[in-house]
Amino acid sequence: KAGVTQTPRYLIKTRGQQVTLSCSPISGHRSVSWYQQTPGQGLQFLFEYFSETQRNKGNFPGRFSGRQFSNSRSEMNVSTLELGDSALYLCASRRVASTDTQYFGPGTRLTVL
Amino acid sequence: KNEVEQSPQNLTAQEGEFITINCSYSVGISALHWLQQHPGGGIVSLFMLSSGKKKHGRLIATINIQEKHSSLHITASHPRDSAVYICAVGLKTSYDKVIFGPGTSLSVIP
Repeated sequence: KAGVTQTPRYLIKTRGQQVTLSCSPISGHRSVSWYQQTPGQGLQFLFEYFSETQRNKGNFPGRFSGRQFSNSRSEMNVSTLELGDSALYLCASRRVASTDTQYFGPGTRLTVL
Repeated sequence: KNEVEQSPQNLTAQEGEFITINCSYSVGISALHWLQQHPGGGIVSLFMLSSGKKKHGRLIATINIQEKHSSLHITASHPRDSAVYICAVGLKTSYDKVIFGPGTSLSVIP
């Protein structure tokens, strides 16, 4: 069974640009969560999608958005990039409930110059 | 005060030693997770606990809901256990919202 995949793995952008990251969950998993990891703030929850609906959201500005498609694949978008958005963005999938094991993807390393 | 705290922040152990990493939290939780992150970023979910104790190989995780405390134990530590161990809690009041601890960096020396 293939694991969680994320594309691209590495990305360099400049301030003011926007970026879209993609996450393909494990087959059969309907929940996808996104996390941001930085050296200063550690891991932080961005949002979670289930059946194409945002089920929960962390404390991030509106520049961070996401969506989920009918095949459970998810994308997150960051508009008007800032230097502080440089981070490792991780997605994780689980079957359905919060009691199901969560499986993490390898992450997308975003650098904003 | 952070809602999820871990101790120690850094830990160096000799191969074979018994290791304990602690996590304390101040919020109501639905579950507590222990994660392992190796250099390069990959994260593996080790345990999810809502009560009691779980064991997987050389790893044991316990949780005391009343004391809002969890421990991760590694028996017979090995250099391949070197990683950052992260405690995370799912909030009881907010379905699936997760708060992470700062992580404990473990280095096991041969």
